[in-house]
Amino acid sequence: SQTIHQWPATLVQPVGSPLSLECTVEGTSNPNLYWYRQAAGRGLQLLFYSVGIGQISSEVPQNLSASRPQDRQFILSSKKLLLSDSGFYLCAWSVRWGLETQYFGPGTRLLVL
Amino acid sequence: AQSVTQPDIHITVSEGASLELRCNYSYGATPYLFWYVQSPGQGLQLLLKYFSGDTLVQGIKGFEAEFKRSQSSFNLRKPSVHWSDAAEYFCAVVGNNRKLIWGLGTSLAVNP
Repeated sequence: SQTIHQWPATLVQPVGSPLSLECTVEGTSNPNLYWYRQAAGRGLQLLFYSVGIGQISSEVPQNLSASRPQDRQFILSSKKLLLSDSGFYLCAWSVRWGLETQYFGPGTRLLVL
Repeated sequence: AQSVTQPDIHITVSEGASLELRCNYSYGATPYLFWYVQSPGQGLQLLLKYFSGDTLVQGIKGFEAEFKRSQSSFNLRKPSVHWSDAAEYFCAVVGNNRKLIWGLGTSLAVNP
């Protein structure tokens, strides 16, 4: 069966520091991968998605970036965190772009101070 | 513009009572619809989905949802709520660009 992992589970970082969040999927090949951010009372915001290695589509221009160095690895990064980057970050995967169920990881809680 | 509306931000029910969470969508073609549940501090878990066919869809944990095209609705129901059902519930629809459009969620509290 397929599983999706995210780490770390919780992260407290100072403003201006770098960020690296990692997501890996097991048990499937060539998944579509997604990064979402969830802010309280604001639902889910799609940040990035990837349909293959090295292919990244950005939804929201900001100081975050994403990379997919391996088929089942998706990384969310920032060079300098802002206070507004605080939130709950969720990684998800699906078999097929758009028309299939997305399966979510456990999430990373990021607090920028 | 395509959208998903969950009119109830917060609902409180008693354990054992029935539950209905509302979801209305704005989408021209036949929608692909989802309900997800999120426990505090956790990721989202798929409860059920509608792609086509029978408009009454059964999901996990005793939930069901009914797709009503005439009302542009996909309401989630459960006949008897358990305390463990307390969570945030999200409705979503696949938009024209194949991206999920999410509602803002309904927070469910269950009184003992």
